[in-house]
Amino acid sequence: DVHLVESGGGLVQPGGSLRLTCAASGFSFSTSWMNWIRQAPGKGLEWVASMKEDGTKEYYVDSVRGRFTISRDNAESSLSLQMNSLRVDDTAVYYCARDWGFSSFDLWGQGTLVTVSS
Amino acid sequence: QSALTQPPSASGSPGQSVTISCTGTSSDVGAYNYVSWYQHHPGKAPKLIIYEVSKRPSGVPDRFSGSKSGNTASLTVSGLQAEDEADYYCTSHAAGSVFGTGTKLTVL
Repeated sequence: DVHLVESGGGLVQPGGSLRLTCAASGFSFSTSWMNWIRQAPGKGLEWVASMKEDGTKEYYVDSVRGRFTISRDNAESSLSLQMNSLRVDDTAVYYCARDWGFSSFDLWGQGTLVTVSS
Repeated sequence: QSALTQPPSASGSPGQSVTISCTGTSSDVGAYNYVSWYQHHPGKAPKLIIYEVSKRPSGVPDRFSGSKSGNTASLTVSGLQAEDEADYYCTSHAAGSVFGTGTKLTVL
């Protein structure tokens, strides 16, 4: 079976940091373009960041560029999202997702909740 | 990176057809044939139902179909069933990706 399992969510104060991790299994992680996607409470899905298979390219939505950093460890089949300078509007369920090709996200984790609040 | 525009809601009775639109710009939807659609039941992971405008992944019923004209893509659900009630999102490949605003489909 193919799986993506996110971890690392929790409650953090505004201005704080958090690191999310996504553990992949059952497929060739090292040949997959990977993404983080989030959904704020009562809102729609928002693409956050993506990273190329070999880690040489990364892209971010404007609202997180400079604060969030996506990374991957192909040897461990894991994807990470380092989130710094967190804001209240970063509160969301964060999903890890595999990109089948050109923004076709065919495999999703169950998500991890990040709450930014004082 | 502005969100693609979808109607907030759509509805239909069982057996009917409903079409959901997804409007972008010449820099995203209009630029590439890389529009995908997702079905999202609350509390569950989103599911890919259409990719590259009109292709269906294995296992997705042919009741789901996609098309595109200019800067607007569309998802049509034919023969509506109760389990089709969900939120639907489009995405387009751009500099990264951009999602639509989402449409809540209600089966009356």
